[in-house]
Amino acid sequence: AQSVTQLGSHVSVSEGALVLLRCNYSSSVPPYLFWYVQYPNQGLQLLLKYTTGATLVKGINGFEAEFKKSETSFHLTKPSAHMSDAAEYFCAVSGLNYGQNFVFGPGTRLSVLP
Amino acid sequence: EADIYQTPRYLVIGTGKKITLECSQTMGHDKMYWYQQDPGMELHLIHYSYGVNSTEKGDLSSESTVSRIRTEHFPLTLESARPSHTSQYLCASSPRTVGGTNEKLFFGSGTQLSVL
Repeated sequence: AQSVTQLGSHVSVSEGALVLLRCNYSSSVPPYLFWYVQYPNQGLQLLLKYTTGATLVKGINGFEAEFKKSETSFHLTKPSAHMSDAAEYFCAVSGLNYGQNFVFGPGTRLSVLP
Repeated sequence: EADIYQTPRYLVIGTGKKITLECSQTMGHDKMYWYQQDPGMELHLIHYSYGVNSTEKGDLSSESTVSRIRTEHFPLTLESARPSHTSQYLCASSPRTVGGTNEKLFFGSGTQLSVL
């Protein structure tokens, strides 16, 4: 069964600093990988996804993530944090089969300090 | 971008009441889902559906039930609400690609349920 771990339930960075949110997955075959963002009292919004092709994926709001098969990782980064980036971030995987459901990590809350 | 709608946005209700949370999507997606999320916590899949007349239980046991009579509509019902049902309920849908894979989940804004 697939599983997703996110190191650090809460990450704090200063405004303008590098954001790094970690995600590792366990899967027998490389899955599809996703990062979602959730602002307070809202649903989840897709930041970026990896399905096939280039392993460095660029998303919205300046975020990007790199799929590293050898490390089974899909870490999310942003060069310079903005106050508006404060939110909950979820890493998720999906199998290649339509019958397989998405599996979400526990989430990482990002705080951005002035 | 998201064309998936949940109503009500907030619901405060007394114990023992029957409630239905509405979810509709206009994208023609076959697969739909209900997730339960406590504040600041992870998402738990409680129900999903492959299409009309299909309903499946998710990973987290739930006293709620769902129905799928129309492709666009996937309501969730609690016959007798209890304080333990207080949570945020998120509805989502996903398209089936030509290759038969999962490529994206679209989420509604959620219903925050409080049972007193």
